[in-house]
Amino acid sequence: GAGVSQTPSNKVTEKGKYVELRCDPISGHTALYWYRQSLGQGPEFLIYFQGTGAADDSGLPNDRFFAVRPEGSVSTLKIQRTERGDSAVYLCASSWDRGQPQHFGDGTRLSIL
Amino acid sequence: AQKVTQAQTEISVVEKEDVTLDCVYETRDTTYYLFWYKQPPSGELVFLIRRNSFDEQNEISGRYSWNFQKSTSSFNFTITASQVVDSAVYFCALSESSARQLTFGSGTQLTVLP
Repeated sequence: GAGVSQTPSNKVTEKGKYVELRCDPISGHTALYWYRQSLGQGPEFLIYFQGTGAADDSGLPNDRFFAVRPEGSVSTLKIQRTERGDSAVYLCASSWDRGQPQHFGDGTRLSIL
Repeated sequence: AQKVTQAQTEISVVEKEDVTLDCVYETRDTTYYLFWYKQPPSGELVFLIRRNSFDEQNEISGRYSWNFQKSTSSFNFTITASQVVDSAVYFCALSESSARQLTFGSGTQLTVLP
C-alpha cells in the first residue's frame, strides 16, 4: 500500500520495559511527525523530522523518549523505562513539506501494565 | 501559542439532518494553515481539507462545506444530509508557519442515527 505504515499495531508490555515503535512514511515524503493520542483527546505533537534530522523535539515529554530517522525514511520512536502513563495510541504522519496535509498511519496502541 | 477549541464534545443527529461542527482557533502568526480530520471508529485519521490563512473562500465538496472567517477566528464544518457513515470523531487542527506540527482540538464526536 502507499500509505503510512506503523508497526506493531498493538504492544502490551510491563512497566519499566523498553519499547520501539516503527513508522514507514509515504514514499517521497520528507517530513515525518510523531504524535500521541490519549483516550478522548486529540493527538499531541511529540517530534518532527525533516529528512534525517529532528527539526523539533519540543513535544517529547521527558528524556525517556527518543526518536531516530537514520536514512530519512523509516523512523523509530523509542521509550525507555516505560510507565503506565505512557499508555496511549502513538501516531505517525508524513507530508511533502510544512503546511502540506499530513497523512497518518493507523497508529500503535501501547499498553503498559 | 497556538490553540484550537472545539466546544462541542458530542453531537447526535438523525440521518438526513444537516450538522455544523464548530472550530475556533488562536494564533499570533499571520500565515497559518487550518485542517479538518475525520477519525472513524476504526481509528485512522483521515484528512478532509486544508485551508491557508490568506484564502477565506468557503469550500464545498459534495455534502461537506467549510466556512472560514478570520474576523471571528473560526473554521466551521457543515455536513449536509448526514449519513450513518458520517459517524466519527472530527478534529480541527492548526499549523503555524513558524512551526511544522499540527495543534489539534479535542474533537467532536458526531453520531448519526438511522
